Amino acid sequence: DQQVKQNSPSLSVQEGRISILNCDYTNSMFDYFLWYKKYPAEGPTFLISISSIKDKNEDGRFTVFLNKSAKHLSLHIVPSQPGDSAVYFCAANEIQGAQKLVFGQGTRLTINP
Amino acid sequence: GAVVSQHPSRVICKSGTSVKIECRSLDFQATTMFWYRQFPKKSLMLMATSNEGSKATYEQGVEKDKFLINHASLTLSTLTVTSAHPEDSSFYICSARSLPGSPLHFGNGTRLTVT
Repeated sequence: DQQVKQNSPSLSVQEGRISILNCDYTNSMFDYFLWYKKYPAEGPTFLISISSIKDKNEDGRFTVFLNKSAKHLSLHIVPSQPGDSAVYFCAANEIQGAQKLVFGQGTRLTINP
Repeated sequence: GAVVSQHPSRVICKSGTSVKIECRSLDFQATTMFWYRQFPKKSLMLMATSNEGSKATYEQGVEKDKFLINHASLTLSTLTVTSAHPEDSSFYICSARSLPGSPLHFGNGTRLTVT
């Protein structure tokens, strides 16, 4: 039962363009969503988050959009840079309770010079 | 920012032996730490929630007698893979929060290879 899904295993974008990574979830109890970036043989690094009371959160080149009715969120990176090449994981949890993070399968982003 | 340190980063062991992985929160106290496992090209799967001073809470399908978790202090949790088998080979990652409701911070992971 995959509660958080990233249906695109990979994405290739040209440097300077916008990268859009998508994520869908099924559990309506999730109220906090996060994006992590991961390089090989390293732990994930927190990028940006959004709570369910918002529909947009922006931090520099990174913006996360949340559509609660569609149970969908996306991460926009603009402009994309070669250093952004990594695997991006979407994650979700309930702020109350055990606060366990549930991760999507990840999307490998490649930024081409 | 909050730092989580995990050791060792890489370990190779023989089948049947046990391996201990340490996870430390360096600049904050963590009453709860989480242990994840990542299979190749797969998502991070939560194995268990480590609670300081009490028993860990294991996710469905995770053998608690095989993956022993000890959270003896507010800054240290350990995961011991007992009687390791080749199928236990994986990337194990720990994580912790510095504040309730704040994002999880992850260690750099441990690559376990069982021969």
